[in-house]
Amino acid sequence: AQSVSQHNHHVILSEAASLELGCNYSYGGTVNLFWYVQYPGQHLQLLLKYFSGDPLVKGIKGFEAEFIKSKFSFNLRKPSVQWSDTAEYFCAVQRGSTLGRLYFGRGTQLTVWP
Amino acid sequence: EAGVTQFPSHSVIEKGQTVTLRCDPISGHDNLYWYRRVMGKEIKFLLHFVKESKQDESGMPNNRFLAERTGGTYSTLKVQPAELEDSGVYFCASSQDKQFFLHFGNGTRLTVT
Repeated sequence: AQSVSQHNHHVILSEAASLELGCNYSYGGTVNLFWYVQYPGQHLQLLLKYFSGDPLVKGIKGFEAEFIKSKFSFNLRKPSVQWSDTAEYFCAVQRGSTLGRLYFGRGTQLTVWP
Repeated sequence: EAGVTQFPSHSVIEKGQTVTLRCDPISGHDNLYWYRRVMGKEIKFLLHFVKESKQDESGMPNNRFLAERTGGTYSTLKVQPAELEDSGVYFCASSQDKQFFLHFGNGTRLTVT
């Protein structure tokens, strides 16, 4: 079945460690790609998005993601995490054939220890 | 601008009862979406309104779920009768245009006992 895969369900890091969260999707054709974040007790917020152009996109709070079309991947990175980055991170795909509708991965819970 | 508002934030009901969830999108957003996350699984699409019309309801699990958006403003999602497997977090989202990113509400956590 076509899907969005997030490889890590729970990641635990110490402050200042580097972060990379994997995301792969299996849909063909044109896609828009997103990372959303949900901080404890808050709503899902857009972290960054890729529609076209430079495959390296920068988002809020020092996050970036790289779209590698040949690998169907859109991995999220941050060079140095902070305690305040503790949250759940969701990769999502918007397919050209069903614009608007998002297909989500299962989410990755990131815990950062101070 | 005010964000997407969902009510209630939590609901605990017994199997067989009826529950109605409400979503107020961002003013001026024609597109309104409902999603659901069952514990431990991915957030799944339920349906999409454009103004008051259902654009895509292919994600609705069964006919116990009824979504409405009268007047193209707020939307309700009714579950009748509720079953245990309906427990989860129901998210609402809105957008100006299909190609823009979605703004999400805080979600309604539904527990069916």
